[in-house]
Amino acid sequence: NAGVTQTPKFRVLKTGQSMTLLCAQDMNHEYMYWYRQDPGMGLRLIHYSVGEGTTAKGEVPDGYNVSRLKKQNFLLGLESAAPSQTSVYFCASRASDTQYFGPGTRLTVL
Amino acid sequence: AQSVSQHNHHVILSEAASLELGCNYSYGGTVNLFWYVQYPGQHLQLLLKYFSGDPLVKGIKGFEAEFIKSKFSFNLRKPSVQWSDTAEYFCAVNARRQLTFGKGTKLSVIP
Repeated sequence: NAGVTQTPKFRVLKTGQSMTLLCAQDMNHEYMYWYRQDPGMGLRLIHYSVGEGTTAKGEVPDGYNVSRLKKQNFLLGLESAAPSQTSVYFCASRASDTQYFGPGTRLTVL
Repeated sequence: AQSVSQHNHHVILSEAASLELGCNYSYGGTVNLFWYVQYPGQHLQLLLKYFSGDPLVKGIKGFEAEFIKSKFSFNLRKPSVQWSDTAEYFCAVNARRQLTFGKGTKLSVIP
């Protein structure tokens, strides 16, 4: 039981490039979330999903897209990366009103 | 929308000192409350949570928190901190399927 895993762990992009972050969970949780963490800002919700095939916007959704084609995977996409998207991205899944977090992806956009 | 306020940005303590980190939230309905800890370079881990019942909840590593509904507060406490408690601590409120975090409090414990 690996819990919540994220791929990749680190990535450097140039402005305008695109990429997809993968979150996977093996706990059969319905709810999954993407957050970004910036110094002094805490964690802010980007998008979330309440089940396979459904997604919804969080607090800071602009510049990101998500997909939940399979229950165990939640993808976060950046179509045209900007320096303001330099951050640490955390995925989480939820059971019984408690969220469990992945190890994070550190993304730098130059 | 709900919001969470953590009073201290950075707290510095000596080992064996007592700790109290403040957390206030704003939301008029029923909430679930959490404290998460993030050790340097690691992901968030659940310290403790309050859903209902006894307002004094105990978590891992000797931490506890008290929910005071009239004050909309959920303060984290530990009687005697250790160097290994150096980390960032986040209070969070779960309402309407979303978890809202405070901005975090960095705790530095000096040996």
